[in-house]
Amino acid sequence: GQSLEQPSEVTAVEGAIVQINCTYQTSGFYGLSWYQQHDGGAPTFLSYNALDGLEETGRFSSFLSRSDSYGYLLLQELQMKDSASYFCAFPPGSTLGRLYFGRGTQLTVWP
Amino acid sequence: DVKVTQSSRYLVKRTGEKVFLECVQDMDHENMFWYRQDPGLGLRLIYFSYDVKMKEKGDIPEGYSVSREKKERFSLILESASTNQTSMYLCASSLAGGKETQYFGPGTRLLVL
Repeated sequence: GQSLEQPSEVTAVEGAIVQINCTYQTSGFYGLSWYQQHDGGAPTFLSYNALDGLEETGRFSSFLSRSDSYGYLLLQELQMKDSASYFCAFPPGSTLGRLYFGRGTQLTVWP
Repeated sequence: DVKVTQSSRYLVKRTGEKVFLECVQDMDHENMFWYRQDPGLGLRLIYFSYDVKMKEKGDIPEGYSVSREKKERFSLILESASTNQTSMYLCASSLAGGKETQYFGPGTRLLVL
């Protein structure tokens, strides 16, 4: 089967850096995605890593290590508006386009 | 801009009722998905469709069925609603392929009394 593990909650203060880890287990791996969801809102795509290494998009970066079955989302210069749930996800070996999501990490940013 | 719309933001139904949740996307996406989201459980896939009239079971299909008669529209049906189906239901769509970005609708919060 497949599984994704990520912390349920993370807290930080404005201006800080926070890392949300995600470990996965699956028989066929094609890459790791990250989605953000604000309270009451729809999940929105943040990033996708198909290869090992760091992908940077503004204040957010995502990292993947396929050998360690591990990835993380790094949020820098935290702002109050970054308070949200963050989900890692992967396509579980299928080419049909479905994603398997983790349970999500609730990030709270304090002033 | 991709737009995914869902027929209702909030819905209240009674146990045993047949419930229809509709989802429409305007970007000609091949794939469409229905998820259920409950606190602490993340997004769990109920059903998905990769083409008109095609459907695949997700992780929690029991008690649900789906219909995709047109490419842009994907319906979720609760044949006989039960209180344990009270939840947030999210629809998503994506282009064909194994790693395409999914675009989500705003969700329907369903309460079954």
